[in-house]
Amino acid sequence: SQTIHQWPATLVQPVGSPLSLECTVEGTSNPNLYWYRQAAGRGLQLLFYSVGIGQISSEVPQNLSASRPQDRQFILSSKKLLLSDSGFYLCAWNIQADNEKLFFGSGTQLSVL
Amino acid sequence: LAKTTQPISMDSYEGQEVNITCSHNNIATNDYITWYQQFPSQGPRFIIQGYKTKVTNEVASLFIPADRKSSTLSLPRVSLSDTAVYYCLVGDMDTGRRALTFGSGTRLQVQP
Repeated sequence: SQTIHQWPATLVQPVGSPLSLECTVEGTSNPNLYWYRQAAGRGLQLLFYSVGIGQISSEVPQNLSASRPQDRQFILSSKKLLLSDSGFYLCAWNIQADNEKLFFGSGTQLSVL
Repeated sequence: LAKTTQPISMDSYEGQEVNITCSHNNIATNDYITWYQQFPSQGPRFIIQGYKTKVTNEVASLFIPADRKSSTLSLPRVSLSDTAVYYCLVGDMDTGRRALTFGSGTRLQVQP
């Protein structure tokens, strides 16, 4: 069966520090991968998605970047965090043939202080 | 232009049937309609998916009219544990089907 791993679960970082969140998927090949962010009490904002290794689409201009160095690995990064980067970050995947059916990780709660 | 529109919140009581409607006027011919449930501090969980007419599984039913410009998620006999945010999702016409953008969701509060 397919599983998605996302870590860390909680992260507290000072303003101006770097960020690296990692997500890996097991049990499937060539998935679409997604990063979403959710501010407290708000909806899901799509940040990045990837349809293959090295292929990244950015949805919203921001202080973040994403990379996909391997087929089932998706990394969210920042060189210098801002206060506005705080939020709940979710990684998700789906298969190419079943586009709207997403499977989400457990999320990372990021607090930038 | 919003892809989907849902009521911001709904209230219900245990044992009642709850119907949450989502509008998606610009749905594309090939797009499916998918509903998710999200509890606090968790990722959304897939509930049900459909293309047209009616789909039913062990937790919900999904009603889609012939024009497919809206859909209704029906939760039979809700319990306190159904208190959550519910999102409907359709494909994204403008930027390609892989850019899956969620709406604001409907916050369902179930009272005893």
